[in-house]
Amino acid sequence: KAGVTQTPRYLIKTRGQQVTLSCSPISGHRSVSWYQQTPGQGLQFLFEYFSETQRNKGNFPGRFSGRQFSNSRSEMNVSTLELGDSALYLCASRSTVGGYTFGSGTRLTVV
Amino acid sequence: QQQVKQSPQSLIVQKGGISIINCAYENTAFDYFPWYQQFPGKGPALLIAIRPDVSEKKEGRFTISFNKSAKQFSLHIMDSQPGDSATYFCAAEGAGSYQLTFGKGTKLSVIP
Repeated sequence: KAGVTQTPRYLIKTRGQQVTLSCSPISGHRSVSWYQQTPGQGLQFLFEYFSETQRNKGNFPGRFSGRQFSNSRSEMNVSTLELGDSALYLCASRSTVGGYTFGSGTRLTVV
Repeated sequence: QQQVKQSPQSLIVQKGGISIINCAYENTAFDYFPWYQQFPGKGPALLIAIRPDVSEKKEGRFTISFNKSAKQFSLHIMDSQPGDSATYFCAAEGAGSYQLTFGKGTKLSVIP
């Protein structure tokens, strides 16, 4: 059974640019969550989607947005990138009864 | 406001020893408490989880102890092995919140 797939694995962007990250959940999982991981702040919740609806959102500025498609794949977008957005962005999928399964993440570096 | 406090930040244990990591939470609405293991370059992987209706859960060498009145829970790794060297995160989730609140992590090093 394939795990959670995140693309790309690594990304380097310039301040002011925007970026889109992709996540394909485990087949059959309809819930997809996004987390930001940094050495200073640790793992912080960004948002969660279920059947194309955002059910919860973390305390991040509006530059961070996401969406989920009918096939449960999800994307997150960060506009007007800042140096502080450099982080590992993790996607997790979840079945209705199980725990969260995380992908290996996308390492975003903003220069 | 940090809702889940984890200690210690780092831990060095001899091979064969017991590793103990502690977490405390503030939000009484939390009802699901997982532990995750993360290796460099990988995402967190679920190790073991507990709900507040039980005080202890064991899976192989990993045990969660849960104290609802003290709002604390801990991970015990018995017979620690060098392959257990990783960063461990406790987390908590409230019913219907659809989000995990993580502790800051504990870097475990098991030395031969």
